[in-house]
Amino acid sequence: LAKTTQPISMDSYEGQEVNITCSHNNIATNDYITWYQQFPSQGPRFIIQGYKTKVTNEVASLFIPADRKSSTLSLPRVSLSDTAVYYCLVGQGSNDYKLSFGAGTTVTVRA
Amino acid sequence: NAGVTQTPKFQVLKTGQSMTLQCAQDMNHEYMSWYRQDPGMGLRLIHYSVGAGITDQGEVPNGYNVSRSTTEDFPLRLLSAAPSQTSVYFCASTFEGGTYNEQFFGPGTRLTVL
Repeated sequence: LAKTTQPISMDSYEGQEVNITCSHNNIATNDYITWYQQFPSQGPRFIIQGYKTKVTNEVASLFIPADRKSSTLSLPRVSLSDTAVYYCLVGQGSNDYKLSFGAGTTVTVRA
Repeated sequence: NAGVTQTPKFQVLKTGQSMTLQCAQDMNHEYMSWYRQDPGMGLRLIHYSVGAGITDQGEVPNGYNVSRSTTEDFPLRLLSAAPSQTSVYFCASTFEGGTYNEQFFGPGTRLTVL
């Protein structure tokens, strides 16, 4: 299973763009990259998933370079409600159910 | 759809007691998982199931048992509770669509073992 490395924490202000980079140097050919968000006292929630290049949905964008050894989750124009822990998972798309989550990145948005 | 439900929300046990944490999903997902989350840490996989009658161990299975008699239910049993099992427990079910998959998590059970 690919090991991932993320920053422990990031601070931002309302209205700014937040970019969280996840390193996964030993990603396998069949691996997908998935990001989850967790608010205090809640279970994680799926944000976005991708394999290569760029994926965008109504919440975030995911940028994956050609070598796929890292990925960047981009949160546009954050608000106070985006304060949460963000987890990067790397594994075969059908196998996320048997992956542990790392410590994630705590994003704190200030007014 | 109720999604993934967990009961109870809170539980206090004494060392040595046993109990079962309940998890149910109504999305007809084959894959289900149990995690524990200790303060300031990520989620560690305890056990998972790929369908009724099929379970396997995750990263931290010791002290826990699971069974999967139906697609909907995936209970987690603590055999003899220990203070080290004080944690928040999350159950998840996974939609698997080939090139796309997504885990849906329950609200969690906060367990304290005295």
